[in-house]
Amino acid sequence: AQSVAQPEDQVNVAEGNPLTVKCTYSVSGNPYLFWYVQYPNRGLQFLLKYITGDNLVKGSYGFEAEFNKSQTSFHLKKPSALVSDSALYFCAVRDRERDDKIIFGKGTRLHILP
Amino acid sequence: EAGVAQSPRYKIIEKRQSVAFWCNPISGHATLYWYQQILGQGPKLLIQFQNNGVVDDSQLPKDRFSAERLKGVDSTLKIQPAKLEDSAVYLCASSLVGQGYYEQYFGPGTRLTVT
Repeated sequence: AQSVAQPEDQVNVAEGNPLTVKCTYSVSGNPYLFWYVQYPNRGLQFLLKYITGDNLVKGSYGFEAEFNKSQTSFHLKKPSALVSDSALYFCAVRDRERDDKIIFGKGTRLHILP
Repeated sequence: EAGVAQSPRYKIIEKRQSVAFWCNPISGHATLYWYQQILGQGPKLLIQFQNNGVVDDSQLPKDRFSAERLKGVDSTLKIQPAKLEDSAVYLCASSLVGQGYYEQYFGPGTRLTVT
């Protein structure tokens, strides 16, 4: 069965510093991987996805994520954090071969300190 | 492009009462999803429609939850009777198609409190 883990409930980063939000996954086949962000009182917004090809994926608002097949990880990164990046971030995985439903992680709250 | 619309935004009911949520997906999106998001958890898929047919309802508590998508556009999710553990945010999402790598677009959600 497919699963996704976000090991940190909260990540605190000073404004201007680089940030990383961690995600690891488990699927029987090859994955499609997604990152979504949720701002207060709003639905989830799509940030970026990995389909195939280049392991470094660039998305909205300056975010990027690196697919690492050997470590089964898809960590979200940004070179310089903004206070406005403070939100709840969800990693999600879908098994490419089985084409099952998407499974979401429990979320990581990112807090950017001014 | 208009986003996914949901109503109401908030609902408070007593246990054993019934409640209904409405969703209007992005125009042209064939696939519609209902998720339940309990505080501190990620969204959990309740039901997925492809046009007006059900693709996956394996995690829908069918003894109390029901959903329909008449004419393949709008959808309604109903809970009857509600339990305390149904308190959650109910998210509707849509995508062009249901397979593969297509991202989903989410509505703002309905926050349900069962007392």
